[in-house]
Amino acid sequence: KQEVTQIPAALSVPEGENLVLNCSFTDSAIYNLQWFRQDPGKGLTSLLLIQSSQREQTSGRLNASLDKSSGRSTLYIAASQPGDSATYLCAVVEVSSGSARQLTFGSGTQLTVLP
Amino acid sequence: ETGVTQTPRHLVMGMTNKKSLKCEQHLGHNAMYWYKQSAKKPLELMFVYSLEERVENNSVPSRFSPECPNSSHLFLHLHTLQPEDSALYLCASSQDGSGPAGTEAFFGQGTRLTVV
Repeated sequence: KQEVTQIPAALSVPEGENLVLNCSFTDSAIYNLQWFRQDPGKGLTSLLLIQSSQREQTSGRLNASLDKSSGRSTLYIAASQPGDSATYLCAVVEVSSGSARQLTFGSGTQLTVLP
Repeated sequence: ETGVTQTPRHLVMGMTNKKSLKCEQHLGHNAMYWYKQSAKKPLELMFVYSLEERVENNSVPSRFSPECPNSSHLFLHLHTLQPEDSALYLCASSQDGSGPAGTEAFFGQGTRLTVV
């Protein structure tokens, strides 16, 4: 059974710092990996999608990498801002899920950026 | 307006009530999902509908009953719930198929359910 782990569970940094969030998964047979952001009590906002054939994706100050063979992904946030404070979730779609691309989630990293 | 809309945003119901959660997607996707998010636990998949057919029922109690009348709408009917069913219920959609490529999943804002 696929397990997704995110480390650290919580992170607090001063504004302007660059930071890295980590995600690991136990079964490397995945279609893709997706990073989400969740604000308290709200839904999930998709940040980046990395296909299994890709190594990284970039969007603005965000860069996500994928090493499928080692079962790892990182989300790099450059020049962090207080508005980046949220919980960041990673999720994978397994090949075994068939035509229904359900996501298996990690528990998230709660990020606080201090002004 | 977001691509996936859920109503209501908040719901308080008694254990003997019957209520329904609604989800609507405006993205032209062919798959829709219900997830449950409880405090301190990862999101759990509940149901998957692909091309309006249920393809996954993740050992969810029968007091939760999904309905997908068309590819744009998804319901979750609730009856005789328990207090431990209190959680954030999230709907998602994506464009799925049999090919190897995975497409981005989009989520609604969720329904915060409290069972009293």
